[in-house]
Amino acid sequence: GAVVSQHPSWVICKSGTSVKIECRSLDFQATTMFWYRQFPKQSLMLMATSNEGSKATYEQGVEKDKFLINHASLTLSTLTVTSAHPEDSSFYICSARGRDRVWNEQFFGPGTRLTVL
Amino acid sequence: KNEVEQSPQNLTAQEGEFITINCSYSVGISALHWLQQHPGGGIVSLFMLSSGKKKHGRLIATINIQEKHSSLHITASHPRDSAVYICAVILSGSARQLTFGSGTQLTVLP
Repeated sequence: GAVVSQHPSWVICKSGTSVKIECRSLDFQATTMFWYRQFPKQSLMLMATSNEGSKATYEQGVEKDKFLINHASLTLSTLTVTSAHPEDSSFYICSARGRDRVWNEQFFGPGTRLTVL
Repeated sequence: KNEVEQSPQNLTAQEGEFITINCSYSVGISALHWLQQHPGGGIVSLFMLSSGKKKHGRLIATINIQEKHSSLHITASHPRDSAVYICAVILSGSARQLTFGSGTQLTVLP
């Protein structure tokens, strides 16, 4: 099956610092990656869609200058939370879809829990 | 009104019971996913459906496109099935992004 990894699995940082989260497709080429955020007891919220080699498309209300997304290769997308604040503390999940997979199928990473002090 | 509604929100069952989780949607879709999220947060895709029925082990998923309804069934439930089950759809004409239901918290007691 298709495997998506995320790194780190958890991170604690001080307010004002930047945090980078990596999302990798391990055994397939991911033409599209999605980044989600999930607050406790809530459902996933799509933040942005990134296609390899092009700029990410952000959902309404998501600041693109705060949540920098890079999808430089077919196996790696990164989300950088810049100048993190406590309200950015959340569970961040990526998913990936590849060119060789069934058209609509997405594979999820294990998530990254961010805590901003 | 949410485009994707799940019921029940919470479900507690005894080990061995047959479980059904329902998902209704109000818009046209091209596919529907059933996802499982464990307490640690990781998400596993259980099924992707566009019609009919799929079975994997003790899990069965059905979809009725005309009625805009899908069900996830778990036979012979086990405590390790305890998780949040999420229905997610790909809206017709969308950029293949997922629209999520609010999830069903399932607890299976030994």
